[in-house]
Amino acid sequence: GQQVMQIPQYQHVQEGEDFTTYCNSSTTLSNIQWYKQRPGGHPVFLIQLVKSGEVKKQKRLTFQFGEAKKNSSLHITATQTTDVGTYFCAGFRGAQKLVFGQGTRLTINP
Amino acid sequence: ETGVTQSPTHLIKTRGQQVTLRCSSQSGHNTVSWYQQALGQGPQFIFQYYREEENGRGNFPPRFSGLQFPNYSSELNVNALELDDSALYLCASSLEVGPGNSPLHFGNGTRLTVT
Repeated sequence: GQQVMQIPQYQHVQEGEDFTTYCNSSTTLSNIQWYKQRPGGHPVFLIQLVKSGEVKKQKRLTFQFGEAKKNSSLHITATQTTDVGTYFCAGFRGAQKLVFGQGTRLTINP
Repeated sequence: ETGVTQSPTHLIKTRGQQVTLRCSSQSGHNTVSWYQQALGQGPQFIFQYYREEENGRGNFPPRFSGLQFPNYSSELNVNALELDDSALYLCASSLEVGPGNSPLHFGNGTRLTVT
């Protein structure tokens, strides 16, 4: 089963509202990656976080890696309809390769 | 630079049959990973190939097997298909140059339906 948990599973917002998804692991991750999958599409790499407490920004997207390297978050400011999709975090643990969370599906009311 | 291509895009098989899915890596990439994605779920790691050798495997039975060829393309074979094998199968290539993870570049996937 999934070893990386994401919440919420679904999120519906009005265009212009903010959105946050959280990713939690029971064990320490060496690094974490975030992907976006549009409806009917394939996952597309967004960013990788490696350092404890790391924060990275991509325009309206802010990614954080927890101090203990067990959790991460993605925050989108002022959502736009182009942000629609499912956001996955994926963590690397030892011999098990990249393990994906179950994703947070974001829908937006224009 | 060509991206990751998978074939076929869709496939319908009967329970008990065997299936082969194909993947061409992005140029310059040396590693291929296969994932199974059920509807509404995150991708589940099946296995990874590096330099034609299996380099890690998830919790999938032996009837899931694979190959990587010298040109880094890859095949996923599934024997004795079961209804629960119905899913989107994603191939992802990456350039592994040392410890740690490189970003995965996914293909569009093969949608497998088992009836």
